[in-house]
Amino acid sequence: SQQGEEDPQALSIQEGENATMNCSYKTSINNLQWYRQNSGRGLVHLILIRSNEREKHSGRLRVTLDTSKKSSSLLITASRAADTASYFCATDAWGGSEKLVFGKGTKLTVNP
Amino acid sequence: EADIYQTPRYLVIGTGKKITLECSQTMGHDKMYWYQQDPGMELHLIHYSYGVNSTEKGDLSSESTVSRIRTEHFPLTLESARPSHTSQYLCASSELGWNGPNTEAFFGQGTRLTVV
Repeated sequence: SQQGEEDPQALSIQEGENATMNCSYKTSINNLQWYRQNSGRGLVHLILIRSNEREKHSGRLRVTLDTSKKSSSLLITASRAADTASYFCATDAWGGSEKLVFGKGTKLTVNP
Repeated sequence: EADIYQTPRYLVIGTGKKITLECSQTMGHDKMYWYQQDPGMELHLIHYSYGVNSTEKGDLSSESTVSRIRTEHFPLTLESARPSHTSQYLCASSELGWNGPNTEAFFGQGTRLTVV
């Protein structure tokens, strides 16, 4: 099964609201990454957080990592219609292979 | 903009045909990946490579094969296409971290394959 699992599967909010997506994983990791995918396109890297970091910011994005709970969250503040996309977390297992494994994704819809 | 390219972008092909999906990157990345993704669904890793002459199978069993003769090129081949192979195929690459952990992966735009 996949290493990462996001929830919720789908999220619909109004412009200006904050969006929070969560990711859980199963094994110890080196780092966790978040990606965005617009419909029918390739994925775009958003942010990487290492296993020894707890929080990271990039513009309107805030990522937290709790290795004791094997979970991460992605917060998008002051959302815009252009943020509408699917968001995926990806992990690589500590001491394992070089695989980069993705979760099932959260489909975010931001209504204008 | 990422320098990783996939061709063709769309392909409709008949059952039983042999096809090769091309993926090339100009960033000198050692690691490359192939993922299979049905519309709106999760990504499944089907193949990956650490570098030249290295290929590994991913988590999802696939009838496809890959080769890595050159750093920049990671083609995926289906010897005999079937309707069950209809999907989107995404190629990605990343640097090899000094102690192994993955760095940012760059994705191509994908090839949408339809087998009729």
